Amino acid sequence: TQLLEQSPQFLSIQEGENLTVYCNSSSVFSSLQWYRQEPGEGPVLLVTVVTGGEVKKLKRLTFQFGDARKDSSLHITAAQPGDTGLYLCAGGHDYKLSFGAGTTVTVRA
Amino acid sequence: SAVISQKPSRDICQRGTSLTIQCQVDSQVTMMFWYRQQPGQSLTLIATANQGSEATYESGFVIDKFPISRPNLTFSTLTVSNMSPEDSSIYLCSVEDRTVGYTFGSGTRLTVV
Repeated sequence: TQLLEQSPQFLSIQEGENLTVYCNSSSVFSSLQWYRQEPGEGPVLLVTVVTGGEVKKLKRLTFQFGDARKDSSLHITAAQPGDTGLYLCAGGHDYKLSFGAGTTVTVRA
Repeated sequence: SAVISQKPSRDICQRGTSLTIQCQVDSQVTMMFWYRQQPGQSLTLIATANQGSEATYESGFVIDKFPISRPNLTFSTLTVSNMSPEDSSIYLCSVEDRTVGYTFGSGTRLTVV
């Protein structure tokens, strides 16, 4: 059973467009993390959010944690081909991570 | 942040055989985690390995199939035993880094033929 639901599953956009990936759960998490994974590599941490309502910005990436700490979103502004990859959200609870199914993002040049 | 070296990076194995995957961390860590990522899917936690005690397995994973060693605070191994094609996956180790969260190795891509 997947505790974290990610949507959409696939996203293909043109360079310069914006995109948003959603991560939702019925469970409350002590922290929520976003990763990007490229083929042949392990996931690389992008950000950790821990406070309900928290918004973090990392250059063109904006991460938001819901007030109830059950959902999160990742927004990319002016996407570039280098943003292509599998985006995974993961909820932390009792030192373990539960992962969403992932969103495959393709940015076309 | 912690740096993880995982090997082998990939292997092709015959069904019925076993493969041991190694994970080396450049700093001492209390817990190490082993994940499986089946083709086109997300990561599923197999077990948590603590030094000096038996690993704790998640539902659906058993020690006979996935024995784990944790001889010290910087090293762990995962063995995939009596392999079948259904075991073809990417296997990843991970550690919790207090400063940056969880760090992952680059994974072992296993193909069972």
